[in-house]
Amino acid sequence: TQLLEQSPQFLSIQEGENLTVYCNSSSVFSSLQWYRQEPGEGPVLLVTVVTGGEVKKLKRLTFQFGDARKDSSLHITAAQPGDTGLYLCAGSNTGNQFYFGTGTSLTVIP
Amino acid sequence: GAVVSQHPSRVICKSGTSVKIECRSLDFQATTMFWYRQFPKKSLMLMATSNEGSKATYEQGVEKDKFLINHASLTLSTLTVTSAHPEDSSFYICSARQHHYGYTFGSGTRLTVV
Repeated sequence: TQLLEQSPQFLSIQEGENLTVYCNSSSVFSSLQWYRQEPGEGPVLLVTVVTGGEVKKLKRLTFQFGDARKDSSLHITAAQPGDTGLYLCAGSNTGNQFYFGTGTSLTVIP
Repeated sequence: GAVVSQHPSRVICKSGTSVKIECRSLDFQATTMFWYRQFPKKSLMLMATSNEGSKATYEQGVEKDKFLINHASLTLSTLTVTSAHPEDSSFYICSARQHHYGYTFGSGTRLTVV
């Protein structure tokens, strides 16, 4: 069961454009993480957010955790071809269960 | 940092045979490891939670007898795909949770059943 829905599922943009990926759920999570995965490799952790309303920045990436800790967003400014990959949000609840979102496949065209 | 090693990275097997995938935490002890299955350009689907010294907890719809999980030590969990069929072909990924580093993932295993 996918508890976390991501949108859009696929995104193809030109280099230099901005984009936002959304991660939504009806469940409350104690923490939420964002990962980036390249083909044939495991996911690599980008950020962890734990406080409702929290905003974290990682260079051109801005992550926000919703006030109610049910949703999150990832905004990329001035996308580059190196940003291409599968972006996954993942939520952890107090029961030590860890579920991934449905994923967003991003392609940045040079 | 925490490192999880997964082996093999690629395996091709004949239909009807069994394949074992290993997941090791190299520099930390993991009482809990997770096994995921992933289809191309799709997200990771949690298959089971592997608990050291006890039976794995399987997600709904995952066949326990098809996907055997053993977590015999604090650094090793194995997933055995028994009597593999072409529909079992997929990318399998393990992860382990380490207190200070959160969840760390293996590099995955591409299984192809011919």
